[in-house]
Amino acid sequence: AQSVTQLDSHVSVSEGTPVLLRCNYSSSYSPSLFWYVQHPNKGLQLLLKYTSAATLVKGINGFEAEFKKSETSFHLTKPSAHMSDAAEYFCVVSYGGATNKLIFGTGTLLAVQP
Amino acid sequence: GAVVSQHPSWVICKSGTSVKIECRSLDFQATTMFWYRQFPKQSLMLMATSNEGSKATYEQGVEKDKFLINHASLTLSTLTVTSAHPEDSSFYICSADQGGTEAFFGQGTRLTVV
Repeated sequence: AQSVTQLDSHVSVSEGTPVLLRCNYSSSYSPSLFWYVQHPNKGLQLLLKYTSAATLVKGINGFEAEFKKSETSFHLTKPSAHMSDAAEYFCVVSYGGATNKLIFGTGTLLAVQP
Repeated sequence: GAVVSQHPSWVICKSGTSVKIECRSLDFQATTMFWYRQFPKQSLMLMATSNEGSKATYEQGVEKDKFLINHASLTLSTLTVTSAHPEDSSFYICSADQGGTEAFFGQGTRLTVV
């Protein structure tokens, strides 16, 4: 069965330091991969998406992610954390069509310390 | 990007009553919409796929008689939680498929059943 695993449920960083949120997916066939952010009591906002084009994907707010097929990973990074980045981040995979049946990871709660 | 509007954003209802949640695509037509549920501190789980003009497809374990989905037009899908009970309290969120490579999410509805 298709699945996506977010390795860390909580990540805490200091403002101005790098952010790394890890994500691995199962490799049944070519996936589409997404990172979404959810601020408290808000809906989901798309940060970036990979759909078989460039493996290094740049998103909004300075985030980027690299698709590594050999490692079945799609980790999210940002060079310098900002206080406003504190939120829940979801790695999402879709198979058999970009928007068919999104499968969500369990989420990573990012805390940013001043 | 495309806009999906979900209403209401929060609702409190008495146990045994029914609640209707609306999901509208404001600037595009959506033949397919998706309904997700998110329990506290958990990830989003797909409940059902709503297809315009036909019956919804429910995921395993989701009671179709309890969660009624109607997708009567290309811009509106509704989810009705019938005979709601406290265990139905959750965050419900819809997404719409524009036929591209991205799903667009509504703002979500926080349902509390007392």
